[in-house]
Amino acid sequence: EAAVTQSPRSKVAVTGGKVTLSCHQTNNHDYMYWYRQDTGHGLRLIHYSYVADSTEKGDIPDGYKASRPSQENFSLILELASLSQTAVYFCASSSQGSYAEQFFGPGTRLTVL
Amino acid sequence: QEKVQQSPESLIVPEGAMVSLNCSFSDSASQSIWWYQQHPGKGPKALISIFSNGNKKEGRLTVYLNRASLHVSLHIKDSQPSDSAVYLCAVSITGYQNFYFGKGTSLTVIP
Repeated sequence: EAAVTQSPRSKVAVTGGKVTLSCHQTNNHDYMYWYRQDTGHGLRLIHYSYVADSTEKGDIPDGYKASRPSQENFSLILELASLSQTAVYFCASSSQGSYAEQFFGPGTRLTVL
Repeated sequence: QEKVQQSPESLIVPEGAMVSLNCSFSDSASQSIWWYQQHPGKGPKALISIFSNGNKKEGRLTVYLNRASLHVSLHIKDSQPSDSAVYLCAVSITGYQNFYFGKGTSLTVIP
């Protein structure tokens, strides 16, 4: 079965600090995605990647950077964490683009104080 | 304007009931529609997808797509307490490499 893991599973960060969320997939998928989920907003796409060493902006990229050093790994970086970035973050992978099933990780709960 | 809207926001039904969930989307250039199930504290998991106008059945699940009215519905037959979860509708748009998700419908099945 497809496997996507995320670390850490939860994190408390201070405003202005740097936060890195990591994602690892063993599906041999080309596409990887970072979403945030907030009450009242549903899942929103932050960044995605379809090949190693390249990332693309999603719908809400401001305040976030992404890094894809290999096919298996995809990181989300918050250089200056803010209160508004408190949310649950999900990583996902898929074999193809917009019409293929996405396999999600378990999520990371981030609280910025 | 939200690209994907789901209704109802929440639903409580007795075990064994037929459940109907609705999803409307704003872009007629949609390619595919997926339904995901999300249990508390977990990531979403794909349940069923549909690409063409009409219906598709898999086990207790049936999905209906009407592209003319930009509407898709998911029906769960003989609902079980284990079906209690949030159901997310995801729509892909031609030219975009991602899905747009609705806010979800929270389903509770009472034993």
